[in-house]
Amino acid sequence: AQKITQTQPGMFVQEKEAVTLDCTYDTSDPSYGLFWYKQPSSGEMIFLIYQGSYDQQNATEGRYSLNFQKARKSANLVISASQLGDSAMYFCAMREGITGGGNKLTFGTGTQLKVEL
Amino acid sequence: ETGVTQTPRHLVMGMTNKKSLKCEQHLGHNAMYWYKQSAKKPLELMFVYNFKEQTENNSVPSRFSPECPNSSHLFLHLHTLQPEDSALYLCASSQDGAEGKGEQFFGPGTRLTVL
Repeated sequence: AQKITQTQPGMFVQEKEAVTLDCTYDTSDPSYGLFWYKQPSSGEMIFLIYQGSYDQQNATEGRYSLNFQKARKSANLVISASQLGDSAMYFCAMREGITGGGNKLTFGTGTQLKVEL
Repeated sequence: ETGVTQTPRHLVMGMTNKKSLKCEQHLGHNAMYWYKQSAKKPLELMFVYNFKEQTENNSVPSRFSPECPNSSHLFLHLHTLQPEDSALYLCASSQDGAEGKGEQFFGPGTRLTVL
């Protein structure tokens, strides 16, 4: 089974609107971390937001928030007030276990987001 | 230089060539990683180094040979590659330990084309 599933290969959103990018995960480890990365066409992966499995509140970082539903094993990224510069590929990733011995991340296949005027 | 740098940014090589990719992190991190990103596939973790020791080799063919001389530098030596090895190769680093998120910071990647 896929450990990280992103079911939306492509999404469109109007500038200034909010958009939700879906991510579901599969793990039996009680301790894990979930990450979202943005990859513009230039190629560099940019870290956006993190949610730990024991965090009680949903993570927020500026216009990014993570809708963490542990029982459903979902960690959707919400981008508010979309901007043209948000057009990029977005990846969800998971680290199983606590840190140590290197933080091995498993990535999803990504969602290509296009922000339109 | 800040963050994670990679050189070269683009590389074209023949199947019989030997080349090396270089990665340097200026973040004081203790773990470094090589990933392969092929079109329409998830990022594939290739190698993990923690405190200069290799802790993960994700069934990577021996034509890829990593080297980590210190915690700031990571190399990927390439020899007798195949056309299917053409991809974007990304280097990353993180501060590994019990505290913190352990998020990885990525370099801009090397776009490799094998002819």
